Amino acid sequence: NAGVTQTPKFRVLKTGQSMTLLCAQDMNHEYMYWYRQDPGMGLRLIHYSVGEGTTAKGEVPDGYNVSRLKKQNFLLGLESAAPSQTSVYFCASSYDGLETQYFGPGTRLLVL
Amino acid sequence: DQQVKQNSPSLSVQEGRISILNCDYTNSMFDYFLWYKKYPAEGPTFLISISSIKDKNEDGRFTVFLNKSAKHLSLHIVPSQPGDSAVYFCAASPSNAGGTSYGKLTFGQGTILTVHP
Repeated sequence: NAGVTQTPKFRVLKTGQSMTLLCAQDMNHEYMYWYRQDPGMGLRLIHYSVGEGTTAKGEVPDGYNVSRLKKQNFLLGLESAAPSQTSVYFCASSYDGLETQYFGPGTRLLVL
Repeated sequence: DQQVKQNSPSLSVQEGRISILNCDYTNSMFDYFLWYKKYPAEGPTFLISISSIKDKNEDGRFTVFLNKSAKHLSLHIVPSQPGDSAVYFCAASPSNAGGTSYGKLTFGQGTILTVHP
C-alpha cells in the first residue's frame, strides 16, 4: 500500500495563476482532508470530505476549491494564487472520521 | 483565536532522560486528543491519543496525560532517544456525538524536540 500520496511535491506559481493539487489514497477511506501548515500556526483545515461526491468547508477555505469525484482522490484547487497561499499543504484520510488520520508527505507551494 | 496551544516552541533533552511536551486547549467541546510526530519533509504521523473519559493512556515509551479541569494534556517520552527528535503536534477533536465532528482536528503550533546523544 502506498498510503496517501500527493502530487506535486513542490511548485512555484506567479500571482494570479491557477493550479490543482492531487491527493490519492489506497486505503478505501471515506474521509479526506486538506490542511495547510504555516510557520508558528500548526496545521489548519482548509476543506474536507466525508465521502465520494461530498465536500465541506474547514477553518480556512477562502481562495480554495475542492472536488471528490472518486473515493480515492481529493483535489484542491487554487483559482487565482496569492502570495498569502504560500504554504505547505497536507492531505489526510481516515476510515470513518473517528479513527486517526493518515497524512501524505506534503506539497510545498511558493506563490511569487 | 488559538484553541489549542503549545506554548513551548522547542525542547532539548539528553538521551535517556524524560521528555515532557505540553498542550493547552480552550474549547470545552474537545473530547478526543491526539499527538502527531513530524519529521522534516514528511507528513505528520499518528503517535498516541486519549479520550476525555480517560486521564492516561500509555503505549510503550509514550504516555499521554489529560487533565480536563485544567484543559491541559502532556506527552511523556521515557526514555528519550535521538530518533525521537522531531516536531510534535497536539491536536483536538470535538465530540462525535451524532456524527457531526467528522474527525475535524484543531492543531497546536508544534514543539520541536531535540534529543542529544
